Amino acid sequence: GDSVTQMEGPVTLSEEAFLTINCTYTATGYPSLFWYVQYPGEGLQLLLKATKADDKGSNKGFEATYRKETTSFHLEKGSVQVSDSAVYFCALMIYNQGGKLIFGQGTELSVKP
Amino acid sequence: GAVVSQHPSRVICKSGTSVKIECRSLDFQATTMFWYRQFPKQSLMLMATSNEGSKATYEQGVEKDKFLINHASLTLSTLTVTSAHPEDSSFYICSATGEGAGDTEAFFGQGTRLTVV
Repeated sequence: GDSVTQMEGPVTLSEEAFLTINCTYTATGYPSLFWYVQYPGEGLQLLLKATKADDKGSNKGFEATYRKETTSFHLEKGSVQVSDSAVYFCALMIYNQGGKLIFGQGTELSVKP
Repeated sequence: GAVVSQHPSRVICKSGTSVKIECRSLDFQATTMFWYRQFPKQSLMLMATSNEGSKATYEQGVEKDKFLINHASLTLSTLTVTSAHPEDSSFYICSATGEGAGDTEAFFGQGTRLTVV
């Protein structure tokens, strides 16, 4: 079945460090891929997305490239800030399932000043 | 982007009572809404999918008689936790897709923290 696997957290970085959170997926169709961010006690916010192979999603300094050959969608940021501390979820959506999302397990990021 | 509003954000109820959570799409017609449950420090678990005007489709292991879902209009879906017990305490999140919101994105409510005492 369709699934998403993320690197385990928590990830602890110092401010201005480089961030990579790995995400790989398994899908029988042609999924769209997403990164969502969740701050404590809140719902999910879309961070970025990519709808087809080789697309690069970017937002607020975060980037991820849809790699079909490696079935990956790794999240990167060149210089993290304390305010980036949150839980990050990688997810996929299959077009013919009405918007149903399959989530990875989430990766908690903690950025220290 | 499109806005989904979920209410209430927090609720505390006594064991044995029922609680209703509302999920509204404010600026688009939500043809499909999804209800998720999230335990502390865990991922989101899909509970059910609801399409306007039809019965919800529940995921395996989710009790449909306990978690009643109604999607009576294109802008509102409700989740009612019936005869709540402490083990139902959790964070519940809805999402919606539909016309006017784009076909390739789901929009999330802010979540409801349910505590059953």
